[in-house]
Amino acid sequence: GQNIDQPTEMTATEGAIVQINCTYQTSGFNGLFWYQQHAGEAPTFLSYNVLDGLEEKGRFSSFLSRSKGYSYLLLKELQMKDSASYLCAVSDSNYQLIWGAGTKLIIKP
Amino acid sequence: KAGVTQTPRYLIKTRGQQVTLSCSPISGHRSVSWYQQTPGQGLQFLFEYFSETQRNKGNFPGRFSGRQFSNSRSEMNVSTLELGDSALYLCASSLAGGFGSNSPLHFGNGTRLTVT
Repeated sequence: GQNIDQPTEMTATEGAIVQINCTYQTSGFNGLFWYQQHAGEAPTFLSYNVLDGLEEKGRFSSFLSRSKGYSYLLLKELQMKDSASYLCAVSDSNYQLIWGAGTKLIIKP
Repeated sequence: KAGVTQTPRYLIKTRGQQVTLSCSPISGHRSVSWYQQTPGQGLQFLFEYFSETQRNKGNFPGRFSGRQFSNSRSEMNVSTLELGDSALYLCASSLAGGFGSNSPLHFGNGTRLTVT
């Protein structure tokens, strides 16, 4: 079967750095997405990786290793507004998205 | 540019009833996908429509159905509601979506359905 694993919850301090991991086992691979979802709001697109390596977008970076079935989202200079759930999704061989259950990130002052 | 609009935002129904949810995609987006979100389960894919045709379908029973109109607006229907259908139903639109595309999804705020 197809499976995406993420930690359920993480806690970090304002101003610090946090890394949210995502491991996957899917039927084929056509890219990996990260989305952010604030409580009671719609998920919003953060990043897309299809090749190995690091993609940087301001305070957020996303890394992919296809051989290891592994990705992480790195958040730097954490702000209180970064408190949200972070969803990892993999596009399989049919370009269907397989979603992880999400990681709830709690930022403390 | 207006985002994805879902109506209604909240809905309370009783077991056995049916419900219809509506989704208006971003202008120009032809692909509309529907997801069910429950705590701890992540997003579960229901189906995807493109140009009025269902292109992909998830593993949900036949009680869940949908359609897309010529203006790309989409509706989702759930018949004979069960308690386990209580969830947040999210609609997402994208430029292309579906097979051969990795267009990012743009989500609506969802309809929270409670079945009692």
